[in-house]
This record gives sequence, C-alpha cells and structure tokens, in this order.
Amino acid sequence: DAGVIQSPRHEVTEMGQEVTLRCKPISGHDYLFWYRQTMMRGLELLIYFNNNVPIDDSGMPEDRFSAKMPNASFSTLKIQPSEPRDSAVYFCASSAQGAYEQYFGPGTRLTVT
Amino acid sequence: SQKIEQNSEALNIQEGKTATLTCNYTNYSPAYLQWYRQDPGRGPVFLLLIRENEKEKRKERLKVTFDTTLKQSLFHITASQPADSATYLCALDRNNAGNNRKLIWGLGTSLAVNP
Repeated sequence: DAGVIQSPRHEVTEMGQEVTLRCKPISGHDYLFWYRQTMMRGLELLIYFNNNVPIDDSGMPEDRFSAKMPNASFSTLKIQPSEPRDSAVYFCASSAQGAYEQYFGPGTRLTVT
Repeated sequence: SQKIEQNSEALNIQEGKTATLTCNYTNYSPAYLQWYRQDPGRGPVFLLLIRENEKEKRKERLKVTFDTTLKQSLFHITASQPADSATYLCALDRNNAGNNRKLIWGLGTSLAVNP
C-alpha cells in the first residue's frame, strides 16, 4: 500500500488567496483526520470524518476553513482567504474501523506571505 | 486547564543506554494512550497503544507504562541506537465517550542518541 498521499507537499501563496490541500487515505480505512502542526501549538486536530461524514469539526479555526470528503478515497481542506497565521504543516491521517492507531501522510508545508 | 506535558528539553543519551520519556496529563480520563515517532519533515508514525486497564506494553526494544492514578505514561527505549534519534509524541483520547476518535497531543520530546 502506498500509504496516505497528500498534495501538494509545499505551497507558497499570498495572503488572501485560496488554498486547497488534498488527501488520499489508505484504502479500506474508514476514518480520515486533518491536522495542523506548528512549533508553538504542536499537532491540532481540525476535523475528522467517519465513512465520509464529518464527525467533529470543533478544531476548525474559523469560517475560512472548510473540509470535504466526497468519497472514501479523497478529501480536501480549503482555506479561503488565506492569512499569514495559517502558515503551518498540514497533515492528513487515516485509521481503520476498530483500530485506534492513525497513519499519517507526509504533510503539506503551507507558507502564506 | 486540560493539557498534556512532555519533557520540553531535548534528551541526549549514549548509544546502548535506555531512554525514558515522560507524558503527564491533567483533567482527562483517557481510554487509551498512544506513542508516535516523528522524524524531521515527515508525518508521525505510530509505535504503541496502551489501554487504561493495561499497566505495561512491550514491542521489541520499546516499553510503555500507563499509570492512571498518577496520570502518567513512561516510554522506554532499551539498547538505544543513533537511528532512534527523533521526536516522540504522546497522544490520548479525552475520555471514553463512545467512539470519539479525537486525540489530544503533547508537543513531543526530542531524543538524540549519540554513538
């Protein structure tokens, strides 16, 4: 298995622009998680899905952030408009039903100037 | 406030020694606690999970203990090797509330094993 796939690996954009991050979970996994990691705050859960349905989005910072999972093999995290404080590494992870360990992708390093 | 604390200072040890990392938490009653390894520029990698009713778990050179009274987990790497150098993260669920998969993460402890 290829593991969790994320794209792009790096994104540099200007303040105010729309950013879309993409994730393909491990085939057969029912849970998908979006995280943000910074030095100061560590890993923070933004939202997670179970069987393509959002379960907990309490970590989504504000209305500028949105996430979708149109099918079991694809999810997007969108930031519109982006701000410099959104600069961080964004990780996608997936997990199987009945198992609690999470498998992370390589992350997307986002820089907003 | 609810939080997880890990050794904030980097841990430097000599190859062959045992590394011990600490994870303390407050105001949670987790059903399980997990340890992950993270290398620079990469995503965390799952290592071990220990449940609230388990005192100790082992996997090869790794050992995890879980003391729900002390609200503490210890993570040991025996016979450490330079390849064990990484940041180690602990994570726990907030409480055993149904099938909630939300994890709360510590900031991690950086381990350096010197040859």
